[in-house]
Amino acid sequence: QKEVEQDPGPLSVPEGAIVSLNCTYSNSAFQYFMWYRQYSRKGPELLMYTYSSGNKEDGRFTAQVDKSSKYISLFIRDSQPSDSATYLCAMKHTGGFKTIFGAGTRLFVKA
Amino acid sequence: SQTIHQWPATLVQPVGSPLSLECTVEGTSNPNLYWYRQAAGRGLQLLFYSVGIGQISSEVPQNLSASRPQDRQFILSSKKLLLSDSGFYLCAYTLPSAFFTGELFFGEGSRLTVL
Repeated sequence: QKEVEQDPGPLSVPEGAIVSLNCTYSNSAFQYFMWYRQYSRKGPELLMYTYSSGNKEDGRFTAQVDKSSKYISLFIRDSQPSDSATYLCAMKHTGGFKTIFGAGTRLFVKA
Repeated sequence: SQTIHQWPATLVQPVGSPLSLECTVEGTSNPNLYWYRQAAGRGLQLLFYSVGIGQISSEVPQNLSASRPQDRQFILSSKKLLLSDSGFYLCAYTLPSAFFTGELFFGEGSRLTVL
């Protein structure tokens, strides 16, 4: 079993839709949770960062962490064609140096 | 603010040839530096990381090596490339205070094709 599982998609939605992206994980020691956005042929960029459980909102983006279920989500409201990219979840536990990444979900937002 | 530069962006090399990918970070001292490889449909695989000049830790035994000759310079090398070395290579850094919290910042990547 992989430490982090992420559905690769692709996920195709119409412009304006609410998008839900998810990851599950197996290591209960993970404390730091991140979402990265990666455009084609570019490096990933840090989108959201959350410590432990709870929600974090930044503009149209909301990150949720449910440690009891070992489940994290990224919601995108009012999705735009410019949101079309691959979204990678990532997580890390305290004291470790290694960030573990999901395989990424490809998102297409159709105009 | 910090910036990270990585080059070359694209590279096509014959099997058995050497490789050198270079990465530099500006705007911070003593960054933690990382080399990742990304294969299609798979997550990022950590290859090497460095917490200081001359300090290199290898995560995956393979045909590659890394060096950190200066504080903000990180180099990925190979003496003889294999077909399996093809991929998208990403350099990344964390600020010194973020080694354990994991906020990675990536370069633009280098796409290597070995023929």
